[in-house]
This record gives sequence, C-alpha cells and structure tokens, in this order.
Amino acid sequence: DAGVTQSPTHLIKTRGQHVTLRCSPISGHKSVSWYQQVLGQGPQFIFQYYEKEERGRGNFPDRFSARQFPNYSSELNVNALLLGDSALYLCASSLVRTNTGELFFGEGSRLTVL
Amino acid sequence: KQEVTQIPAALSVPEGENLVLNCSFTDSAIYNLQWFRQDPGKGLTSLLLIQSSQREQTSGRLNASLDKSSGRSTLYIAASQPGDSATYLCAPLYYGQNFVFGPGTRLSVLP
Repeated sequence: DAGVTQSPTHLIKTRGQHVTLRCSPISGHKSVSWYQQVLGQGPQFIFQYYEKEERGRGNFPDRFSARQFPNYSSELNVNALLLGDSALYLCASSLVRTNTGELFFGEGSRLTVL
Repeated sequence: KQEVTQIPAALSVPEGENLVLNCSFTDSAIYNLQWFRQDPGKGLTSLLLIQSSQREQTSGRLNASLDKSSGRSTLYIAASQPGDSATYLCAPLYYGQNFVFGPGTRLSVLP
C-alpha cells in the first residue's frame, strides 16, 4: 500500500507569491494534518482536517489556508509568501476522527522563498 | 503553553552501544506519545506509539517508556548500528490539541 504522498517535493518561490501544496493520505485514512518544520526545529502544527471539515488550527496567520476533498486528499495554500515561510511542509494522515491515532507522515514539500 | 524538550540535543557513539534518549513534556494531560525518526531532508517515520494507559512499547531493538506523572518518556535503542543515525523526535498529544513536537536528538552511530 502506498504511504502518504506529497507534491511537489521541492519548489522555489519569490516573496509575495502564492503556493499550493498537495497531499494524498494513506488509503482508508480520513484525517489529514499539516505541519511546518523549520531547519533545526521540530514540526509545528498548522491544520487538521477530517471529513472535509477543519478540526484544528495552529498559531499561523490567515495567509495559511487548507482544504480537504471528498477523496480525503488535501491542499495547503500559502498567500503573500515571506522569507520566513521557507521550510519543509509535512503532511500526516491518521485513521481516526480525533487526532488520537498514530500519525504517518509523507516525505514533505521543501519550500524555498527568495 | 505545552513545551517538549529532548536531551541530549546531539549524541555520537560507536556501533554496538546501548542508548537512551530522553523526552520531557510539561502538563501530564496527554492522550498518548509518539516517537519518530527523521533522516536528513526527509519526512518522519513512526517508531512507537504509547497510549496514556501504557507504560512501555517495544519494537525490535527499540523500547519506549512513558511516565505521565513525571512528564517523561525514554527511548532505548539496543545494540546501535550505523543505520540508526538520524534525528529522533518525540511528540506527546495533549487533550484538546494536537501533537507537540520536541526539537529532536541528532544521533550519529560510528562504524
């Protein structure tokens, strides 16, 4: 079975641009979470979605948004990019409704903002 | 605010040694705690998940313990190998919130 897949794997943007990152969860998993990992730090929680509804939001500005589709895949959108948005963006899926189950991560999307 | 710390920040050992990685977290109100491994530039690989009602979990050469009352978890790696070289992160799941990650312990096992 395929694990969590993310695209693109790497991308470079300039300040002020917009970016869309995509994630497909493990088959059968209905919960998707997004995390931002800055170099040298642990991941920080951005969003969690279950059954197309937002179930949790971390301390990130409104420039960050996400959605989940009927097939449980998800998109993370970031508007008006800043240099500080450069990071590894990780998607994780889990089996259960609440985020109490084991998390499984994808390989991430490496975003560089110039 | 919940905080997670991991000690040591980095560790370099010769192959074959038994290792202990420590994770401390504020606030004992957690659902569970998960340990992950991360290779450079890669995503996180789940190693062990310990439910709040459990004391420990084992998988192969890995053993993780959880002491909620003291806010501590320990990852024990037996007979370390060069392939174990990676960053190890712990993440407790707090009630009403999401997983909070520690900064990780960077492990290097020398052949």
